[in-house]
Amino acid sequence: GENVEQHPSTLSVQEGDSAVIKCTYSDSASNYFPWYKQELGKRPQLIIDIRSNVGEKKDQRIAVTLNKTAKHFSLHITETQPEDSAVYFCAASRNTGGFKTIFGAGTRLFVKA
Amino acid sequence: DVKVTQSSRYLVKRTGEKVFLECVQDMDHENMFWYRQDPGLGLRLIYFSYDVKMKEKGDIPEGYSVSREKKERFSLILESASTNQTSMYLCASSLRLEQYFGPGTRLTVT
Repeated sequence: GENVEQHPSTLSVQEGDSAVIKCTYSDSASNYFPWYKQELGKRPQLIIDIRSNVGEKKDQRIAVTLNKTAKHFSLHITETQPEDSAVYFCAASRNTGGFKTIFGAGTRLFVKA
Repeated sequence: DVKVTQSSRYLVKRTGEKVFLECVQDMDHENMFWYRQDPGLGLRLIYFSYDVKMKEKGDIPEGYSVSREKKERFSLILESASTNQTSMYLCASSLRLEQYFGPGTRLTVT
């Protein structure tokens, strides 16, 4: 069946460094790719998303890139801060031929001060 | 601002009990979802609903049922709770593709 693979499962960086999380999806009909941040004990919150007709999107220190041919998309966080420490989930969604969203397993990011 | 609420943050039930988890959203969203979150497995879809009284099975529906009698409310039912249903349960709603999550219910079945 369709799946989303997310790597790495754990990532530790020094404050100020960049962090990159990568996802690969299998459903070629996917057309929406959100990223969620979940802090300890809190709900997942959307931090950035990208649609299939766009290759890159940036919002301050966060950027997402999409390669539809390779079915890869990545989250880039620059100038990391301790408050970026959280679990990050990618997802691949489609709303054609039936609605479906599949989440990656998550990446636990630690930013060391 | 979208608000999705869940009836309980923590719940402890015994094996064999019937368990109801409630989710309410205040943004008139048509789509509502129930996920289960386990370490290393991400979020797995149990059921979703795209309209009142409509429901679709997700990836792991076994042992669960749902009810959507009103647009704003989506209930998850564990007919006979088992220890392997101990987990974090997250509800979400959406108008289109972007999903908004509730705070989660941590269910422990003993």
